[in-house]
Amino acid sequence: AQKITQTQPGMFVQEKEAVTLDCTYDTSDQSYGLFWYKQPSSGEMIFLIYQGSYDEQNATEGRYSLNFQKARKSANLVISASQLGDSAMYFCAMSLYNFNKFYFGSGTKLNVKP
Amino acid sequence: NAGVTQTPKFRILKIGQSMTLQCTQDMNHNYMYWYRQDPGMGLKLIYYSVGAGITDKGEVPNGYNVSRSTTEDFPLRLELAAPSQTSVYFCASSTGRRTGELFFGEGSRLTVL
Repeated sequence: AQKITQTQPGMFVQEKEAVTLDCTYDTSDQSYGLFWYKQPSSGEMIFLIYQGSYDEQNATEGRYSLNFQKARKSANLVISASQLGDSAMYFCAMSLYNFNKFYFGSGTKLNVKP
Repeated sequence: NAGVTQTPKFRILKIGQSMTLQCTQDMNHNYMYWYRQDPGMGLKLIYYSVGAGITDKGEVPNGYNVSRSTTEDFPLRLELAAPSQTSVYFCASSTGRRTGELFFGEGSRLTVL
């Protein structure tokens, strides 16, 4: 069975500082993708970043980077220079290439303090 | 470009009533999904479809039914609503490519009383 674990229900970070949101996953498949989504208080789901299981370099998208450690089965999201607008729920998700089903973690609520 | 459109956005049902959540996408995506999100929780997959005429169960399919008669539409049917089905429902679609992320609708908040 596939499983995504986010062990930090809530986190605080000071504005302009960097923050790491943890995500570990469990799968026996070799081919998969890892995604991070942001859910603001308004409720919509916003795609942030993608990492493929065969990608050798960590993915980056602007202030977002994904710290991918395949042997440890972790895919942590790093947000640099936090902004007040980063306050939201963040979800880690995994998709198995063979099945194209997406599995989500329980989320981390990030609060950016001014 | 509307993306993924869900209706209704809000609905209150009485126990035992039935209803259909509508979902349509205009991106010509083959893959479509229904998720539910309980308060403070992640998303659980209810049903998904890899193309017109093909549907399959996800993690929490009990109490729901789906159909996929066209590429664009993927309605979710709730039969005999129960309080346990109170949740926010998200419809999503994807290209099915490896790097293809999910495109989400805005969500439908359903309350069963």
